[in-house]
Amino acid sequence: GAVVSQHPSRVICKSGTSVKIECRSLDFQATTMFWYRQFPKQSLMLMATSNEGSKATYEQGVEKDKFLINHASLTLSTLTVTSAHPEDSSFYICSAIQGNEQYFGPGTRLTVT
Amino acid sequence: GQQVMQIPQYQHVQEGEDFTTYCNSSTTLSNIQWYKQRPGGHPVFLIQLVKSGEVKKQKRLTFQFGEAKKNSSLHITATQTTDVGTYFCAGNNNNDMRFGAGTRLTVKP
Repeated sequence: GAVVSQHPSRVICKSGTSVKIECRSLDFQATTMFWYRQFPKQSLMLMATSNEGSKATYEQGVEKDKFLINHASLTLSTLTVTSAHPEDSSFYICSAIQGNEQYFGPGTRLTVT
Repeated sequence: GQQVMQIPQYQHVQEGEDFTTYCNSSTTLSNIQWYKQRPGGHPVFLIQLVKSGEVKKQKRLTFQFGEAKKNSSLHITATQTTDVGTYFCAGNNNNDMRFGAGTRLTVKP
């Protein structure tokens, strides 16, 4: 099946700094990618839909100025957590759709100290 | 807005026992998808159901989509330790996808 990669897999940063997470579709083009957040032992919460060449669509309650999304090419979307705080610590997962299937990246575990 | 409810939250079974998780949507769905997430891993797509009343099987897994396209179930026959993980349903309505809370399955050998 299709492969979606994410980088980094883990990141620890200090409070107030920004962190960029990359999501790549390795063997297919994805005009749309999705960014999710998952708290421990909880379900996935859709944060935003990333659209290639246009602005991302954010879910209600997600701060677009804090979670910057850029989808500059058909194979790459980035999520930047700006001025990170400890409450932003979480597991961030991206996904892309090919055909009728949604493929998830391996996730990025962000810890803000 | 659309809500997808999934029960039970946890299920602990003895190896060889059956397991079922249920999803209910507050709105009619265009399709429903099922995912499995192993501990420490990421969700992996299992299947998509589209038609009213659809039933699909994958080895020991049976997936059903209700006649009203508002509920779905995943049934595992004779669980094995490799079935351990969290099973999520995701309901799709006009490209608005919502995940259920997931059912965490543990299997005692």
